[in-house]
Parts: sequence; C-alpha cells; structure tokens
Amino acid sequence: DQQVKQNSPSLSVQEGRISILNCDYTNSMFDYFLWYKKYPAEGPTFLISISSIKDKNEDGRFTVFLNKSAKHLSLHIVPSQPGDSAVYFCAASEGSGTYKYIFGTGTRLKVLA
Amino acid sequence: GAGVSQTPSNKVTEKGKYVELRCDPISGHTALYWYRQSLGQGPEFLIYFQGTGAADDSGLPNDRFFAVRPEGSVSTLKIQRTERGDSAVYLCASSLDPTTDTQYFGPGTRLTVL
Repeated sequence: DQQVKQNSPSLSVQEGRISILNCDYTNSMFDYFLWYKKYPAEGPTFLISISSIKDKNEDGRFTVFLNKSAKHLSLHIVPSQPGDSAVYFCAASEGSGTYKYIFGTGTRLKVLA
Repeated sequence: GAGVSQTPSNKVTEKGKYVELRCDPISGHTALYWYRQSLGQGPEFLIYFQGTGAADDSGLPNDRFFAVRPEGSVSTLKIQRTERGDSAVYLCASSLDPTTDTQYFGPGTRLTVL
C-alpha cells in the first residue's frame, strides 16, 4: 500500500520553462514533507522541505506547495535548467522530528536544452 | 567536508552467501539510517541507529538482515543466506540527530544476488 505516490514516472520540459512535479499522500498523520533529487550512481540529495503549518516554501528556483485538504504537494522549478535533469523523490514523515521517511517512487525529470 | 561514504559500491554474490555492506556517516552525526531501494521504487526504511543502539529496526524484512554500529560511527549491514529478491541498492544516511530534518545520503551499494 503506497502511502506516498508520484503518479508521473517521467516528465520532459524545455530549458527555461517551469517544471511541476506532483506528489499525493494518503496518510493524514503525515505533517512533514521533503523533496530529494537523485543523479545516477549517487545518493539522494535533499532539496527542500515543508511543514504542514505552511502551504508554501521557497528556496531560489525551487518552490514546494502543500495542499493539506487534497493531500497533495508539488515542486515547482523555475526556470528549469539542464542540470536539473534527475529523478525527484517526494518523501513524508509524521512530524519534523520523525526519522522514518516514506518515499514515493520518483519522477524522472528531463530538461531539454 | 566528507559526505556519507559506502563500500563497496557494487557487490555481486551468489544465492545463499553472506554479505556485509559498510557505511561511514558524516563525522559527528549521531543518527544513522539504512534504506533499501529496489528497481523502480523509492528508498524504503530498514533501520535507524541513535549512537550505538538500533532504536528502530522495524523495517528489516526478516531475520536474515542485521545491522551493527559498535562504536557509534561506522555501521555494517549484514545479510545472511542471500536471496535473489535481496538485489537492490542499499542506501545509508546520517543526520546530526533524529530531530534534525535533513538526512544526508551516501551513494549506495548496489547488491546483485545471482
């Protein structure tokens, strides 16, 4: 039973445009969410996080939006760059101090030059 | 500074053999985690150490899997009587403490059981 779902296995975007990666969750106890980026042969790298007390968190070109009522979050990358091409994982946990991250299956983003 | 390192990067073994996978966390990180990532899946939690003790091993799939962290730094994940279904990338992560939000991951060990 997948508690964190990333329904789009892949996404292609033109350089300079916006990339939107989506994530849905089913566990209403989740209140802390993260995005990790993974390049081939490397471990996942933390990108950005959001607590359920917020509905938006921004860091440079990356913004995460959280819609608690819909149990949905999204990662926006603007503008997209070829170096952003990677697999993006959404993860969730029950509380910011909870170590057990539940990951989605990932979305492979390809930014076309 | 040095990140999380894992050795070996690749391990090929035969069904039924015993394997050990090593993780060197970031210096000073007291919390250490093991995850397993199967093909087409996200990382799946296996075990969490706080210092030397396994605080939560609820993700270990069965008793063939065991992990230690005797001195509170390096950790070894041990798999006995390996099966083909154990083939995956085993990821290690560390954080300053379990209440710190960010877990820093190593590059993983790709285990292939023939």
